[in-house]
Amino acid sequence: GDSVTQMEGPVTLSEEAFLTINCTYTATGYPSLFWYVQYPGEGLQLLLKATKADDKGSNKGFEATYRKETTSFHLEKGSVQVSDSAVYFCALSKAGSARQLTFGSGTQLTVLP
Amino acid sequence: GAGVSQSPSNKVTEKGKDVELRCDPISGHTALYWYRQSLGQGLEFLIYFQGNSAPDKSGLPSDRFSAERTGGSVSTLTIQRTQQEDSAVYLCASSTDRGSQETQYFGPGTRLLVL
Repeated sequence: GDSVTQMEGPVTLSEEAFLTINCTYTATGYPSLFWYVQYPGEGLQLLLKATKADDKGSNKGFEATYRKETTSFHLEKGSVQVSDSAVYFCALSKAGSARQLTFGSGTQLTVLP
Repeated sequence: GAGVSQSPSNKVTEKGKDVELRCDPISGHTALYWYRQSLGQGLEFLIYFQGNSAPDKSGLPSDRFSAERTGGSVSTLTIQRTQQEDSAVYLCASSTDRGSQETQYFGPGTRLLVL
């Protein structure tokens, strides 16, 4: 079945450091790919998405590129802020009867001032 | 406009009791999803509604779990004879139903604790 594997956490960085959170997927066909973020005490929010190969999703300084050849969708940000501290989830969705999101295990990011 | 709302926000119940969790999707969203977030299992899909019908119920973990949606809007997830392993945060999401690329918007969740 479909699956998403993401970098184990927790990740701790200093403010202004470069961030990469790795995400790879296994799926037949052509899934859409998402990054969701969960800030402390809040619900899941969409951070960015890409719906076809070579698409780049971007939002709030975060970027991820849909790489079909490596089945990856790594999340990057050039300079993290304390306010980026949250749990980040990579997910995929496929066309079909259910269209549910299949999530990775989540990566806890803590940014220190 | 208003986002997805869920009630109650927290629920504590005794093992063996039944619980009902409610979800109000974003107005106009025809697709509705239930997920469960627990420490041991991460985020798991439970069920998807397309309008009032549920094409896929395979994610429901046991026959103690059921869900319905009426009027193409509000949905209720019912857990009968709750067990301690049912303790989790139950999340509801909604989206337009134009395809798998559509963004799912999540509610704040119901935190269920079974004693």
